[in-house]
Amino acid sequence: KQEVTQIPAALSVPEGENLVLNCSFTDSAIYNLQWFRQDPGKGLTSLLLIQSSQREQTSGRLNASLDKSSGRSTLYIAASQPGDSATYLCAAFPTGNQFYFGTGTSLTVIP
Amino acid sequence: DTAVSQTPKYLVTQMGNDKSIKCEQNLGHDTMYWYKQDSKKFLKIMFSYNNKELIINETVPNRFSPKSPDKAHLNLHINSLELGDSAVYFCASSLGTVSSYNSPLHFGNGTRLTVT
Repeated sequence: KQEVTQIPAALSVPEGENLVLNCSFTDSAIYNLQWFRQDPGKGLTSLLLIQSSQREQTSGRLNASLDKSSGRSTLYIAASQPGDSATYLCAAFPTGNQFYFGTGTSLTVIP
Repeated sequence: DTAVSQTPKYLVTQMGNDKSIKCEQNLGHDTMYWYKQDSKKFLKIMFSYNNKELIINETVPNRFSPKSPDKAHLNLHINSLELGDSAVYFCASSLGTVSSYNSPLHFGNGTRLTVT
């Protein structure tokens, strides 16, 4: 069974810093990996989806990478802003029929 | 607006009651899901339907019964509610069948269920 771990559980950075969130998964046979953002009291918003054949995806200040062989993905956020404060979750989609979610990293960007 | 919408947003009820949560998506997606998010923010899948057919049924008490009248709707009915059912329930949808899946999951805003 797939297990997804996110480190750190919480992160606080000053505005303008670049930061990296980590996601590791135990089963490397995945179709894709997805990063989400969750704001308090809200649902999840998809940020980036990396297909198993891809190494990275970029959207604006966000860059996600995928290394299937090592079971790792990272989400890089450049020039962080207070509006980036949220919980970030990764989800791995293995050879099965469902996404396995990590426990999330709670990010606070201090103005 | 194109979205996944679920109602109600909040649901407070007493133990033993029966309640339903409704979900609708107008994205034209084929697959819909119910997820449960516990107090530690961990998301776990409960059910998945593809074109009105059940394809995922995790270890969920049979007090929980999903109903999909058409591929745009997936409702969740819960019988004999228990304290441990208190959580946030999220509906989601995706394009295509699960095994050929390569498009993002789209989530509703959640239903916070509190059982007293």
